[in-house]
Amino acid sequence: EPEVTQTPSHQVTQMGQEVILRCVPISNHLYFYWYRQILGQKVEFLVSFYNNEISEKSEIFDDQFSVERPDGSNFTLKIRSTKLEDSAMYFCASRLTGRPTDTQYFGPGTRLTVL
Amino acid sequence: DAKTTQPPSMDCAEGRAANLPCNHSTISGNEYVYWYRQIHSQGPQYIIHGLKNNETNEMASLIITEDRKSSTLILPHATLRDTAVYYCIVRSLTDSWGKFQFGAGTQVVVTP
Repeated sequence: EPEVTQTPSHQVTQMGQEVILRCVPISNHLYFYWYRQILGQKVEFLVSFYNNEISEKSEIFDDQFSVERPDGSNFTLKIRSTKLEDSAMYFCASRLTGRPTDTQYFGPGTRLTVL
Repeated sequence: DAKTTQPPSMDCAEGRAANLPCNHSTISGNEYVYWYRQIHSQGPQYIIHGLKNNETNEMASLIITEDRKSSTLILPHATLRDTAVYYCIVRSLTDSWGKFQFGAGTQVVVTP
């Protein structure tokens, strides 16, 4: 069964450094998402992406964050200058179409630790 | 999107049916009920969704009350691998970008 993959599984970085989290969505999917989950807290929506542009973003997704689909397969989340509070699990998700009933499939996540 | 209320935790014996309730009393006519689960910090896993009719798939059944103000997810024969946080989420048909707003969910522990 096709699945969303994410790399790396765990990233450790120093505060102030840039990180790029990578995702390979399911191959024919058109809608892409990033969520994050701080340890012990809820899964929070960050951003949705369609047709090579951001379609919706949350208040969390400030100027330090950016997303990109650099080629036909990868979908990346960049954090420009990491803060301690960016430490979290980051989940990528994808969906086939914009039909409201289409299921969103999540990747296994990248654990980001900012020291 | 309408808010949902779920019990914070519940236990279930292995092999028995697990019935997970969800209250969504402010749900509107164009909102679907979705269930996802998250096993120990893995990515959320889709289980099932429905609008007003009961639904069943290979993982679970979803029973939605006639007034649509509540629903129950049924895991027919719980196994230890079903131990997870289960999320009931309501999402509007008009939300074409499709984000999910997760709550705290129900921590289900299946015991031998």
